[in-house]
Amino acid sequence: NAGVTQTPKFQVLKTGQSMTLQCAQDMNHNSMYWYRQDPGMGLRLIYYSASEGTTDKGEVPNGYNVSRLNKREFSLRLESAAPSQTSVYFCASRMTAGNSPLHFGNGTRLTVT
Amino acid sequence: QKEVEQNSGPLSVPEGAIASLNCTYSDRGSQSFFWYRQYSGKSPELIMFIYSNGDKEDGRFTAQLNKASQYVSLLIRDSQPSDSATYLCAVNNRTNAGKSTFGDGTTLTVKP
Repeated sequence: NAGVTQTPKFQVLKTGQSMTLQCAQDMNHNSMYWYRQDPGMGLRLIYYSASEGTTDKGEVPNGYNVSRLNKREFSLRLESAAPSQTSVYFCASRMTAGNSPLHFGNGTRLTVT
Repeated sequence: QKEVEQNSGPLSVPEGAIASLNCTYSDRGSQSFFWYRQYSGKSPELIMFIYSNGDKEDGRFTAQLNKASQYVSLLIRDSQPSDSATYLCAVNNRTNAGKSTFGDGTTLTVKP
């Protein structure tokens, strides 16, 4: 079982460049999430999609956009990358927007120079 | 005040000892509580979840929840070097559409 698959694993961008992080899950989960993790700061929610067709802002949405392409896929776009967006990005999914646990992808390590 | 706070680490225990990890939360509407383990350079993985007051045991792990005190803990018995990792506490409540709020994590080192 693949679970949650993120691409790419690593990326280096120059300031002002754009890119899209891809995420797909094969567990038939309804809810999907994008988190970023900075050293010593735990996981902070960027955007989430409680169900197909809906997206909402999380704690740190500025500089990002998302698309819930279908039930399986949830992408995160950086329109104009900034050094402050250097981080590790995790996509996660769960069965329902509620009490079920999160399943995480392997992460994308992004560096913006 | 942060929504979810964990005891600052790092925490170091000898092999075979009990490791105690603590977490407090500010939202009284919180309903479900999760402990994730994260090895260095890896993604978080679920260790335990608990919804009701009291203790929940799974092998060497025990989660404890006290909603009145807004406190959740994770005990690891017979700690092993392979338990060395960062442990993340996460909290959900019914009004936030399933968004999990994470603490900053506590790094545990188990010394042989």
